[in-house]
Amino acid sequence: QSILTQPPSVSAAPGQRVTISCSGSTSNIGINYVSWYQQFPGTAPKFLIYEDNKRASGIPDRFSGSKSGTSATLGITGLQTGDEADYYCGTWDSSLSIWVFGGGTKVTVL
Amino acid sequence: EEKLVESGGGLVKPGGSLRLSCVGSGFSFSSNGMNWVRQAPGKGLEWVSSLTSSSSHIYYADSVKGRFTISRDNAKKTLYLEMHNLRVEDTAIYYCARSRGAANWYPFDQWGQGTLVTVSS
Repeated sequence: QSILTQPPSVSAAPGQRVTISCSGSTSNIGINYVSWYQQFPGTAPKFLIYEDNKRASGIPDRFSGSKSGTSATLGITGLQTGDEADYYCGTWDSSLSIWVFGGGTKVTVL
Repeated sequence: EEKLVESGGGLVKPGGSLRLSCVGSGFSFSSNGMNWVRQAPGKGLEWVSSLTSSSSHIYYADSVKGRFTISRDNAKKTLYLEMHNLRVEDTAIYYCARSRGAANWYPFDQWGQGTLVTVSS
């Protein structure tokens, strides 16, 4: 299992809001920035959020990131069918000296 | 346009070796840390290895330590992954990813299209 814990799936109707949690520990999320990545089937991951809450270039403000303690959250508002994808959180683990990813969360638009 | 292009994947028998390459273009390759991330069929992302811009610091996942070697040639703008003693569980798409800064702890802001490595007898 992954060092960072994400729910396997979340879903909501078009226009609604979803949040994806990412739970870690004091050696990773607790002391390092979290980033988020979006991946559509059959394609490479795409940079979404960095430094906990900054949007990468070209990412709409419907996507937001936050962090509190050892947990981070990705929020998507105004959900669109084009947002259906897998989302991964990631950060550096300072105790293990490795980069860690969450297991990924599949977003479904109902 | 900033781009990363991987090559070198293929079918190899268990115990075999393979060398992956990743060529960067459209940015100052020597200024960024670089990484390899893999994704087994139907599975999530798994970080494999990272090295800083000057190769002064190198890190590996436990699952590949002692079998894989990451390196870079900044003059050729190329990142490498030498893989030895390959196992069936190494089967995955291997992505090259750029760190947003020189150090290893920066996030991955640019990804290649991936190259498929299949380990099977």
